Amino acid sequence: DGGITQSPKYLFRKEGQNVTLSCEQNLNHDAMYWYRQDPGQGLRLIYYSQIVNDFQKGDIAEGYSVSREKKESFPLTVTSAQKNPTAFYLCASSLQTGGSGYTFGSGTRLTVV
Amino acid sequence: QKEVEQNSGPLSVPEGAIASLNCTYSDRGSQSFFWYRQYSGKSPELIMFIYSNGDKEDGRFTAQLNKASQYVSLLIRDSQPSDSATYLCAGSRIIQGAQKLVFGQGTRLTINP
Repeated sequence: DGGITQSPKYLFRKEGQNVTLSCEQNLNHDAMYWYRQDPGQGLRLIYYSQIVNDFQKGDIAEGYSVSREKKESFPLTVTSAQKNPTAFYLCASSLQTGGSGYTFGSGTRLTVV
Repeated sequence: QKEVEQNSGPLSVPEGAIASLNCTYSDRGSQSFFWYRQYSGKSPELIMFIYSNGDKEDGRFTAQLNKASQYVSLLIRDSQPSDSATYLCAGSRIIQGAQKLVFGQGTRLTINP
C-alpha cells in the first residue's frame, strides 16, 4: 500500500542536541511538507519542497533544516537553535498540481528532556 | 486576521443530530477547501474537499462553500460518537507551482451518546 512513513513515533531531545525526523513516501508525489502542531493549535508550515534538491521556508523555519536528495525522502532536522521544539511534527505530500489535498504521515512527537 | 478561522469549540452535539462546523477565510485567491478529521494524538485524515460554490455531499458529510461570503462549512448528519474529533479546515492555492494549504486552528467536536 502507498503511504507516508514517519519515524520515530516518539523522540526525546536533550538540551543543545540536534535530532532528525524521518519522512518517506511511496506515493510518487512531487511535493512534500513539514508541519508543526502544538496542543490545541492548528498546523504551522515549517518547510516544503516541490522538487528534488529544492525546498522553501515556511512560516516558522527558524531552528529547522531540511534536505531533499531523493523524491521519496524529506528529513527534518531540529537544531539546537530551536528553543521550544516540543511539539507534534507532521510530514505530508501531494501531487504537484494539487487538487486532492495532502496525505499525512502518522507523526512524530518530540519532547525536550 | 488569520487566513483561515474556525471556532475552536468545544462543540457538543447529541448522538443522531446534525453537527455544523464553520470556517471563514480571508484570502480570495484560495481555490479549494479541505476538511480533515484528527483524532487525539493521531494525524489528520481527509474527509472531503470542495472548490465550487454550493454543496457537495459524501455519505453523512456535506461540505458547503460560499465564495462571496468567504465561508465554508461541514455538516455531519446522524452524528455518531466515533465522529468525536477535532476538525481542521484548510484553504488551498497554487503558489509558484506548489499547492499550499493554510489550516485553521480546528474545532473540537464531541458527540454525546
